[in-house]
Amino acid sequence: AQKVTQAQTEISVVEKEDVTLDCVYETRDTTYYLFWYKQPPSGELVFLIRRNSFDEQNEISGRYSWNFQKSTSSFNFTITASQVVDSAVYFCALWTSGSARQLTFGSGTQLTVLP
Amino acid sequence: DSGVTQTPKHLITATGQRVTLRCSPRSGDLSVYWYQQSLDQGLQFLIQYYNGEERAKGNILERFSAQQFPDLHSELNLSSLELGDSALYFCASSLGNSGNTIYFGEGSWLTVV
Repeated sequence: AQKVTQAQTEISVVEKEDVTLDCVYETRDTTYYLFWYKQPPSGELVFLIRRNSFDEQNEISGRYSWNFQKSTSSFNFTITASQVVDSAVYFCALWTSGSARQLTFGSGTQLTVLP
Repeated sequence: DSGVTQTPKHLITATGQRVTLRCSPRSGDLSVYWYQQSLDQGLQFLIQYYNGEERAKGNILERFSAQQFPDLHSELNLSSLELGDSALYFCASSLGNSGNTIYFGEGSWLTVV
């Protein structure tokens, strides 16, 4: 079975602070993909990043960066110099090539950035 | 804008009724997925279609059914609605069937009263 754990239910930071959202996953499959999505208050799910299990290179996109570590089964997401517009629920998700072949979501982390 | 279009955006209906949610995938995408998001269950996978055929089934109730048409749009039918079916229903699409990026629509808010 596959599972995604986002232990941080809510995080609150002040604008311009850096914040890291944790994601730990479980799977027995060797081929899998990890995703992050953002859900702002308006409700839509916005794709942020997709990473396959064979690519452990960290990625940076503007103020966003992702740290993928297979040794600890983690795929953490860092927002540098946070802004009020970053306030949203962030979901980590896992897709595996095994029998499940579906996107399994974590429970999400509510990030609030205060001005 | 993800390119996935869902209608209606909001729907209020009574218990026992039936509703149909419609989804148009991104241009070129062959896979369509349906997800339900509720406060107590989080984001739950319901069902996936690939090029018209059912490919994967999740926690979809027997009262719910879906299909993907030849033009690749999809419909999710919810019948004998209960209060607990109130949720945000997402449609998503991807190019293929193997870990491709999955893009979500804006969702259809269903309220059952």
